Amino acid sequence: DAKTTQPTSMDCAEGRAANLPCNHSTISGNEYVYWYRQIHSQGPQYIIHGLKNNETNEMASLIITEDRKSSTLILPHATLRDTAVYYCIVRVARTSGSRLTFGEGTQLTVNP
Amino acid sequence: DTGVSQNPRHKITKRGQNVTFRCDPISEHNRLYWYRQTLGQGPEFLTYFQNEAQLEKSRLLSDRFSAERPKGSFSTLEIQRTEQGDSAMYLCASSLEGFNSPLHFGNGTRLTVT
Repeated sequence: DAKTTQPTSMDCAEGRAANLPCNHSTISGNEYVYWYRQIHSQGPQYIIHGLKNNETNEMASLIITEDRKSSTLILPHATLRDTAVYYCIVRVARTSGSRLTFGEGTQLTVNP
Repeated sequence: DTGVSQNPRHKITKRGQNVTFRCDPISEHNRLYWYRQTLGQGPEFLTYFQNEAQLEKSRLLSDRFSAERPKGSFSTLEIQRTEQGDSAMYLCASSLEGFNSPLHFGNGTRLTVT
């Protein structure tokens, strides 16, 4: 599975945009980039995913570079409730399986 | 709530006992996944089903672990002769078919083996 590299931790001020980077330089052309987050004692929560184009939903925006070797998750107006571990995952495009392989993620702390 | 439901939320058992966890996926999802998560680590894949067929198993899934999804709806994960190393959060997820379909996770069952 394509490996991702994320910073171990980041801080953000409440109300500001949180920009979480991810490197995935070995990604293949048909592999999706997925983002999940996990708040303590809860299961991972799906945020967004994309293949080539930038994506936006009610939670976040996903910016994927043209060469697809890196991406950035943007939380436009971070709140205290966005404090969580954020996982960037490259999902292998198998016809069978296609499970998600989690790394260690980025601990985002939103400060008041 | 139409999300993934897991029961029980917490289970404390003595070493050597058998335990069983249940997962009820989102109703229209034909894929169901089990993961295990230990403190400070990301979730690790254990196994997955498409309908009632178990299509992939991780090497983490020892002979003491068995998962079933008999009617292609809910699933159970049984651990026989529990060991202290089995203490973890057991997560279930479901999805539609296809790698463009996100997995949706439940809130897990936390197992403590004493």
